[in-house]
Amino acid sequence: ETGVTQTPRHLVMGMTNKKSLKCEQHLGHNAMYWYKQSAKKPLELMFVYSLEERVENNSVPSRFSPECPNSSHLFLHLHTLQPEDSALYLCASSQGVRGSKTQYFGPGTRLLVL
Amino acid sequence: AQKVTQAQTEISVVEKEDVTLDCVYETRDTTYYLFWYKQPPSGELVFLIRRNSFDEQNEISGRYSWNFQKSTSSFNFTITASQVVDSAVYFCALKETSGSRLTFGEGTQLTVNP
Repeated sequence: ETGVTQTPRHLVMGMTNKKSLKCEQHLGHNAMYWYKQSAKKPLELMFVYSLEERVENNSVPSRFSPECPNSSHLFLHLHTLQPEDSALYLCASSQGVRGSKTQYFGPGTRLLVL
Repeated sequence: AQKVTQAQTEISVVEKEDVTLDCVYETRDTTYYLFWYKQPPSGELVFLIRRNSFDEQNEISGRYSWNFQKSTSSFNFTITASQVVDSAVYFCALKETSGSRLTFGEGTQLTVNP
């Protein structure tokens, strides 16, 4: 099993749908992250969870709702999205959030909102 | 505020050429960490290297080498004898010791042609 897995890998949804992205890490880490990667833009940090508590919420619209039930799993619940939300959503994990902790990334979910 | 600049948007080389990817950063912290990641077409960000601000020793790993110069706030990445499999987007990133945020540059698309 690879270090960080994400499902689904591809998702097409309408603006009125509700869907969830799932991330699972097998590295024994205690911190997890959601990033958004849009075309021609740098990676944007969305949320940070440390020991299952949200420690950072980077001004993300409420139509994105994260959930971290345990240190190995992270979800991103999506509802009433906009076409501009189409992007690659990347999950990452690390052992701790401060200092030199290296973040390891999953393969991402390519989301298209119609 | 921290910032990472990768001025080269796209680079195209022929196989076996050497290529250097530039990275310039800004930070007010005296202790920080610099990273390089590779993103192949599959989407996953692959961690390549982490460098601490207090360690200016350059590093070589096979065909990869990194030149960290604190005086010019640069952390450049050189691929020697490039190969087609090196084709990817390469991201430089900065993390301050006090925060959880990893700030990415906009990435450099490297294409290695046979």
